[in-house]
Order: sequence, then C-alpha cells, then structure tokens
Amino acid sequence: DVKVTQSSRYLVKRTGEKVFLECVQDMDHENMFWYRQDPGLGLRLIYFSYDVKMKEKGDIPEGYSVSREKKERFSLILESASTNQTSMYLCASSPPGTGAFYGYTFGSGTRLTVV
Amino acid sequence: QKEVEQDPGPLSVPEGAIVSLNCTYSNSAFQYFMWYRQYSRKGPELLMYTYSSGNKEDGRFTAQVDKSSKYISLFIRDSQPSDSATYLCAMSDNYGQNFVFGPGTRLSVLP
Repeated sequence: DVKVTQSSRYLVKRTGEKVFLECVQDMDHENMFWYRQDPGLGLRLIYFSYDVKMKEKGDIPEGYSVSREKKERFSLILESASTNQTSMYLCASSPPGTGAFYGYTFGSGTRLTVV
Repeated sequence: QKEVEQDPGPLSVPEGAIVSLNCTYSNSAFQYFMWYRQYSRKGPELLMYTYSSGNKEDGRFTAQVDKSSKYISLFIRDSQPSDSATYLCAMSDNYGQNFVFGPGTRLSVLP
C-alpha cells in the first residue's frame, strides 16, 4: 500500500557534497512537493511541481534545486550540502486542481545529517 | 507573527481523557482547514478536512473552525495510547496556492 516512496530513510553526507533525494509516487498525481521539517519550525516548502518539467520555488529554495523528468518522480538536489541543511525532508503529492484541498500524501521522510 | 500558530506542547494526558488541540491563524483568506497526524519516523497523514466554519465529526475526532476568531480546534474523545503522535494543522485559501502548515503539537496519551 506504499504510495509515496522516498529512497532513503537516513543519510549522512559531508559538507560540500552534492546530495540527491529521490521521491516516487504511484498515484498518478500531477502535483509534487518537497518540504523540510525542523523542530519548532514545522514544515517549510522548498520546491513544488505541478507538471513534468515544471518547477516552482517555495518558501526556502536557497541551496536546493529539483528535477522532474517523469510524472511519478521528483528529485531534490542539494548542490553543496551544508550543516544547516541537516533536517528531515518530506516529499508529498496531491491530485491536480482542487485535489490539494483534500490533503497531501506524504512519504516517510529522509533524515539527512550533514557533517 | 507567524501565519499559523499552534500550541507547542508537548501535551501528556491519561488514557480516556478528552484532548483539545488548537491553531490560530492570521490570513482571513484561508477557507480549507486540515488536521494531519504524524507518528514518529513517519510522514504526516491526513486526519480530517473541513471547509469554512463549523464542526465536522469522525468517530472520536471532531474538527471545529471559527473563522470569525481565526481559530481551529481538533478534539479527541476517549483518547488512546495509539493517538500518541504529533498533530499538525494546515490551511489553504480557495485557490490552493497558499497552503500552510502549523508547527505541530506532540501528544502523548499515557496508559
């Protein structure tokens, strides 16, 4: 019954490394999102995509980029990892249009530690 | 002021207690209100969804929205240890472009 899959549960990377976080959904959703979750700050939107090849910046895009070559896959890229990017990263998807009002389906998250 | 504020918790209650979780918000354009539940080491999952003001009940859970006060609540009756999780409120305007989560309240229900 897995619907949104994030490739890694835990990652440890070194400062300056290029990091790829992968997310795949099997619900044929148009919309996909990347959030980071930090204690006391809640969920903050990094990037989102409403269609293949399309991307939009969220609230905190600095230091990140994304790729959406196929509808089911949305990748988050940390170009040069820094310690302040240590966080829980959550991918989500939703149907198009008003589907967002009915909630997102989230993956289980990737806990990234940058040392 | 943050756009959405939520009681920080953590909140510990005995099994069987009635739990009240609350959020306040500042943007009067919000029309859709949601509650997500997040278990440890899992992603959030949608628990309840309401539109505009009023109440919505689903089993032991009741969501309440008071748009005039910009205040939403989630009530859990007869709380169970399995309800122990972090609860996040979320809200959106009519166009779904402005979708905001609260920071979450961690709840522990003690047997």
